[in-house]
Amino acid sequence: DTAVSQTPKYLVTQMGNDKSIKCEQNLGHDTMYWYKQDSKKFLKIMFSYNNKELIINETVPNRFSPKSPDKAHLNLHINSLELGDSAVYFCASSPDRVNHNEQFFGPGTRLTVL
Amino acid sequence: GDSVTQMEGPVTLSEEAFLTINCTYTATGYPSLFWYVQYPGEGLQLLLKATKADDKGSNKGFEATYRKETTSFHLEKGSVQVSDSAVYFCALSGGSGGSNYKLTFGKGTLLTVNP
Repeated sequence: DTAVSQTPKYLVTQMGNDKSIKCEQNLGHDTMYWYKQDSKKFLKIMFSYNNKELIINETVPNRFSPKSPDKAHLNLHINSLELGDSAVYFCASSPDRVNHNEQFFGPGTRLTVL
Repeated sequence: GDSVTQMEGPVTLSEEAFLTINCTYTATGYPSLFWYVQYPGEGLQLLLKATKADDKGSNKGFEATYRKETTSFHLEKGSVQVSDSAVYFCALSGGSGGSNYKLTFGKGTLLTVNP
């Protein structure tokens, strides 16, 4: 009965490869997000989707392409991986765009690019 | 744009000590304010929130009051436990630019509580 799930939990890959991270939420929420947490624990929004529509793209390189096949899923595909992409990526969801709504976070995917 | 500044860590306390983690924000409009906690190896969990000036959020013995006059949302707990050891993030949503579609986080404060 996990609320927000991500796969895989760990991802180790070589520079230049293409990889995907999947996210699913079973909370019935309309809005989903991707955040990046760097090695110093700093968290920054990457994308947000509302009802499968892209709302925020926070100056993320176009090697990163989110895909939302339906409201419950928001996947992140990364092309031509670089060393600087190494981080923990968190998916989150919230009921709608109202600003006081809590965001529910997944457990994170630790990406290591060698 | 919006920003959140919280006190740099790490913070190390003994069990039963008093905790304060300072947080100030910059935003126009009427943002909502949050404290999230990240336990080792886990995702973030909401600890407490406040949606308007003078609101006090509280949970698990933690409290924070939304002070518009000082643009602050300091986290306090009267008596910390070893199990409170975690990274604490102050965050806001819905500030300037009217963006309700993201959380803007502070840099996080690592708290370690020793027995």
